Amino acid sequence: QQQVKQSPQSLIVQKGGIPIINCAYENTAFDYFPWYQQFPGKGPALLIAIRPDVSEKKEGRFTISFNKSAKQFSLHIMDSQPGDSATYFCAAGGRYGGATNKLIFGTGTLLAVQP
Amino acid sequence: DTAVSQTPKYLVTQMGNDKSIKCEQNLGHDTMYWYKQDSKKFLKIMFSYNNKELIINETVPNRFSPKSPDKAHLNLHINSLELGDSAVYFCASSRNPLNSPLHFGNGTRLTVT
Repeated sequence: QQQVKQSPQSLIVQKGGIPIINCAYENTAFDYFPWYQQFPGKGPALLIAIRPDVSEKKEGRFTISFNKSAKQFSLHIMDSQPGDSATYFCAAGGRYGGATNKLIFGTGTLLAVQP
Repeated sequence: DTAVSQTPKYLVTQMGNDKSIKCEQNLGHDTMYWYKQDSKKFLKIMFSYNNKELIINETVPNRFSPKSPDKAHLNLHINSLELGDSAVYFCASSRNPLNSPLHFGNGTRLTVT
């Protein structure tokens, strides 16, 4: 119940394309859904996050779509650029097991944006 | 200035040795974490401290012992290293333990031979 399933494992798009990465969760106690971006040799960095009271959130070229009934959320990258090439992780967190939370990460998607 | 810094960046050692990884954050955050990233890039939490107190302790072998001398520092000591401990270990911090963004360091790549 604490898993977050992420797909696809890898993705190749052309510059300007719209890669979409999908995640699904099972635990309805999750109430915080961030996406992290990781470049080689670096730590993950927060990209954008959403809470289940909204169905969509946009920040620049990045959009999260959230479907609470299906327990799914996805990341869309508009007008993708070669500089977006990185590994993307979805995660889910929530207040369970007490007053603390821990993030459960998806398995990651390696995105390559070709020039 | 680096917000979350960890040392060393690379650590190569033999099985059976004991090693430590140090982490410091200058963000004024209350909560710090250790995450392990395996060869398949899977990220898994190991420990979390809030104001120097242990709040998350995942199913980690007791050869791993975190220590937080103050809320800006969280170190990880590993005894009797095994081949399976080879991974990248990330330190992270957050303003509080409740759904605030994690700020990760750049990782320590541990290789056990």
